[in-house]
Amino acid sequence: QVQLQESGPGLVKPSETLSLTCTVSSGSITSYYWTWIRQPPGKEPEWIGYIHDSGSTNYNPSLKSRVTISLDTSKNQFSLNLRSMTAADTAVYYCARDRDGYSRIDYWGQGTRVTVSS
Amino acid sequence: DFQMTQSPSSLSASVGDRVTITCRASQSISKYLNWYQQRPGKAPKLLIFTASSLQSGVPSRFSGSGSGTDFTLSVSSLQPEDFATYYCQQTYSPPYTFGQGTTLEIK
Repeated sequence: QVQLQESGPGLVKPSETLSLTCTVSSGSITSYYWTWIRQPPGKEPEWIGYIHDSGSTNYNPSLKSRVTISLDTSKNQFSLNLRSMTAADTAVYYCARDRDGYSRIDYWGQGTRVTVSS
Repeated sequence: DFQMTQSPSSLSASVGDRVTITCRASQSISKYLNWYQQRPGKAPKLLIFTASSLQSGVPSRFSGSGSGTDFTLSVSSLQPEDFATYYCQQTYSPPYTFGQGTTLEIK
């Protein structure tokens, strides 16, 4: 059974960079689209973007200037960096496995709550 | 971006009822539409992909239909575990945007 686990800080100061890592266990990190999705409190989820094991990425244009998703196949991990954080970035951040690049997500992490506050 | 609008925003129903949730896209998305179920404090769970394909392991009481701009999710006989929030998501063109959600509550 594939498992995904997010790790990273729960509190980030405004203007700082959020760095989250997702560790994939009991499964290969190749041949899928590794995705980040976030959900602000009381709102619908927001698709942040994905990275394929080929190295190709696809980002939400609203975040593209601030976001980087990277992959470390040797550690079975992928990561999210989101720069210049503001209060509007407060959310639960989920990592997920997309089977085909069309958000056909079959496995999710449990989610990690990130608050932006000084 | 493609805007997704769900109706109703909330719905009260009883165990055993049949319910239908509607999702409308701001422009045609062909059949590129997912439906997710989310329980409080949990990650969303994919129910339906490409408008009508049932995700593996999802009970057959869930079904989806539609194409173009208008889509529906139906649950044929509500079970206690079905009371949750449901989201549609277009996957026609990134960013893959979600509807605002429909909360299904026990009557």
